[in-house]
Amino acid sequence: GQNIDQPTEMTATEGAIVQINCTYQTSGFNGLFWYQQHAGEAPTFLSYNVLDGLEEKGRFSSFLSRSKGYSYLLLKELQMKDSASYLCAVDRGSTLGRLYFGRGTQLTVWP
Amino acid sequence: DGGITQSPKYLFRKEGQNVTLSCEQNLNHDAMYWYRQDPGQGLRLIYYSQIVNDFQKGDIAEGYSVSREKKESFPLTVTSAQKNPTAFYLCASSIDQAGYGYTFGSGTRLTVV
Repeated sequence: GQNIDQPTEMTATEGAIVQINCTYQTSGFNGLFWYQQHAGEAPTFLSYNVLDGLEEKGRFSSFLSRSKGYSYLLLKELQMKDSASYLCAVDRGSTLGRLYFGRGTQLTVWP
Repeated sequence: DGGITQSPKYLFRKEGQNVTLSCEQNLNHDAMYWYRQDPGQGLRLIYYSQIVNDFQKGDIAEGYSVSREKKESFPLTVTSAQKNPTAFYLCASSIDQAGYGYTFGSGTRLTVV
């Protein structure tokens, strides 16, 4: 099977920095996605990594190490509205567009 | 504006009934997907379709059926054979190039009463 692991819950305070890790073991790799999902809503795209290294986009950055099967999402200057579930998803490249999702990390930001 | 429309947003079903969840996209995407999400769980794939008149089972297809008669539409039927249908259902589509990920619909919350 495909294993994609991420912590179940994390907490942080406003203004802080938080790093959400994702490890994966999949047969094939064609890219890794991070999505944000607020309760009862659809996931929204945050980032995509296909090559090793760091991708920065405003307050959010995502890192990938393909040799280690590891990614992280870094959120800076946390705001209350960042309280959400963060989903790690892997494209194995085997089926057009199919993504394999982790269980999601529920982040709670406290004032 | 292009996007994916799921309807209804909330759906209640009596035990033993079949219900159909609608998913329509005007993005001209080839591939469409249905996922189920339960509390504390990731998204689990029910069915997917890469072209019209063709679809494949995902990881949890039992108790569900789909059709893909038009490129724009990919309805999901939750049959009475699905023993635990209460969940949040998400439809998604993607273009035919790797790396662009999904566009998601807004979801349908199905509750069995």
